[in-house]
Amino acid sequence: GENVEQHPSTLSVQEGDSAVIKCTYSDSASNYFPWYKQELGKGPQLIIDIRSNVGEKKDQRIAVTLNKTAKHFSLHITETQPEDSAVYFCAASRGSGGSNYKLTFGKGTLLTVNP
Amino acid sequence: DADVTQTPRNRITKTGKRIMLECSQTKGHDRMYWYRQDPGLGLRLIYYSFDVKDINKGEISDGYSVSRQAQAKFSLSLESAIPNQTALYFCATSDFRDAGGYNEQFFGPGTRLTVL
Repeated sequence: GENVEQHPSTLSVQEGDSAVIKCTYSDSASNYFPWYKQELGKGPQLIIDIRSNVGEKKDQRIAVTLNKTAKHFSLHITETQPEDSAVYFCAASRGSGGSNYKLTFGKGTLLTVNP
Repeated sequence: DADVTQTPRNRITKTGKRIMLECSQTKGHDRMYWYRQDPGLGLRLIYYSFDVKDINKGEISDGYSVSRQAQAKFSLSLESAIPNQTALYFCATSDFRDAGGYNEQFFGPGTRLTVL
């Protein structure tokens, strides 16, 4: 089955700096890679996703990159703000077809943005 | 997400007790999931259901059972709770028809369960 590794487990940055979280996956058939943000006391919420037909996707201050050859994908947050402080999870899935129900999650990254 | 609700939000119980966690959704989604979250271990799938008559085990189903009472309701039961089932439990939903079949999942706020 799929295995997703996520690094680092904790990340502390100064407000305004950039933050990068990296994930690797094992299943070459995976083609859907979402990122979830979990704030304290809440459930995870999708913030951005990328599908295997693109290498990069941006949404304001966040971007994701995907390297299918190397089987890794990354989340980039620029101009970090204190409200970006949360736990971030990457995940991988066979995005369409019979196995698309299953999201395999990384273990999470606790991001702290210091004012 | 307010469209996915979980009750109770917190529960403390004793070893051996039967516990039921409930999940309801107003999103009209066909698929529902139960996950367990432990510190440093991420989210692990316990059970999932594609519709009322379809229930499937996830990667860590031992010690748990589920019931899909209606499209909008999916309950998780611990038949005889044990301390290592202390964790955060999340319900999630998805709609296969959304976004070309890609599986965006919408999570509830979670239930914090403590088994003494």
